[in-house]
Amino acid sequence: EDQVTQSPEALRLQEGESSSLNCSYTVSGLRGLFWYRQDPGKGPEFLFTLYSAGEEKEKERLKATLTKKESFLHITAPKPEDSATYLCAVQEGGTGRRALTFGSGTRLQVQP
Amino acid sequence: DTEVTQTPKHLVMGMTNKKSLKCEQHMGHRAMYWYKQKAKKPPELMFVYSYEKLSINESVPSRFSPECPNSSLLNLHLHALQPEDSALYLCASIGTSGSGPQYFGPGTRLTVL
Repeated sequence: EDQVTQSPEALRLQEGESSSLNCSYTVSGLRGLFWYRQDPGKGPEFLFTLYSAGEEKEKERLKATLTKKESFLHITAPKPEDSATYLCAVQEGGTGRRALTFGSGTRLQVQP
Repeated sequence: DTEVTQTPKHLVMGMTNKKSLKCEQHMGHRAMYWYKQKAKKPPELMFVYSYEKLSINESVPSRFSPECPNSSLLNLHLHALQPEDSALYLCASIGTSGSGPQYFGPGTRLTVL
């Protein structure tokens, strides 16, 4: 059974204080690992897809990396508008199920 | 364009009411999903439609009835819901390859009185 564990559950940063969020996963054949941002009461917003170990993606202050067991979302010099819940999800290959298994998320608060 | 739309944004209903949630996408995606999300929890899969046919039902109670009238539209019919069904209901879609991200709609906030 696929498992996704995110840490920490909550993170409070000062504006400009860089940090990393962790997503550890267990899946039999990774089709893709996805990062989403979710604001309260809204649907998840797609950020990145990673397919294979060693892959990296960047967007503004965010950078996602992938190894065979975990993914990191690095936030460089965050701003208050980066405050949100960040969700990691994996899609298992081979079954064609196409469903995602989500982690519980990291609630990020960036204070000015 | 990666937009998935959902209506209504908010819905309040009594336990004896019948209501429907609507989801629409115009990205040519052929797989669509319904998720349920409770506060401070990740989305939980309810149903998957692939090429307009129900392919996955995650043991969802029959008071939730999905429908896919065409490849762009997904409905969720609600009847005799319980207060514990109050949640954010999310629709998502994915491209024909089955790989790549799911794109989510903004959700419908449902409150059952």
